[in-house]
Amino acid sequence: QVQLQQWGAGLLKPSETLSLTCTVYGGSLNGYYWSWIRQPPGKGLEWIGEINHTGRTNYNPSLKSRVTISLDTSKNQFSLNLSSVTAADTAIYYCARATIKRADPWGQGTLVTVSS
Amino acid sequence: QSALTQPASVSGSPGQSITISCTGTSSDIGGYDYVSWYQQHPGKAPKLIIYDVSTRPSGVSDRFSGSKSGNTASLTISGLQAEDEADYYCSSYTRTNTRLFGGGTKLTVL
Repeated sequence: QVQLQQWGAGLLKPSETLSLTCTVYGGSLNGYYWSWIRQPPGKGLEWIGEINHTGRTNYNPSLKSRVTISLDTSKNQFSLNLSSVTAADTAIYYCARATIKRADPWGQGTLVTVSS
Repeated sequence: QSALTQPASVSGSPGQSITISCTGTSSDIGGYDYVSWYQQHPGKAPKLIIYDVSTRPSGVSDRFSGSKSGNTASLTISGLQAEDEADYYCSSYTRTNTRLFGGGTKLTVL
């Protein structure tokens, strides 16, 4: 059964770059999109973007200028970089395996707080 | 791109049925049968409960069902149980190869 485990810095200052990594256990990167989704405290889910095993990416237009999602097939990992963060980027960030139909499973979530 | 529209909250008594709506446009829900639904308990990651509008993953109770008409998808939970109290989110693939989520609906079991 595929499991996703994510990690990264939990406290950032404004203007810094958020970096998170998600490792895929028990399955291949092939045939799926690998997604990042976030959830501000007490609010709903927002799709950030995704990458497939060929390196093709799709991004949320509202975040596209600041987002980079990358893949490391040798480590079965994918990563999220979000530049120039502000307090509005404070959220729980989730990684997930996705297809056109569904997102499943999800990582455990990482709370990232942006504060000076 | 705007989020899909869901009611902020719904409630029902144990044993009753409730329906949560999710409204989009012809560029997302209306254009594809790729609507999915997620259940999220407090402090937990979302869990997939419906995909392809009405398909339940293995292990999900048959009390959960999904449907779609035009630009609106719906999730129905029958025989409400206390454990169903959670937040529910719809999602759809879009014409621009992106994904949208609804704003979420808080289900209270009275």
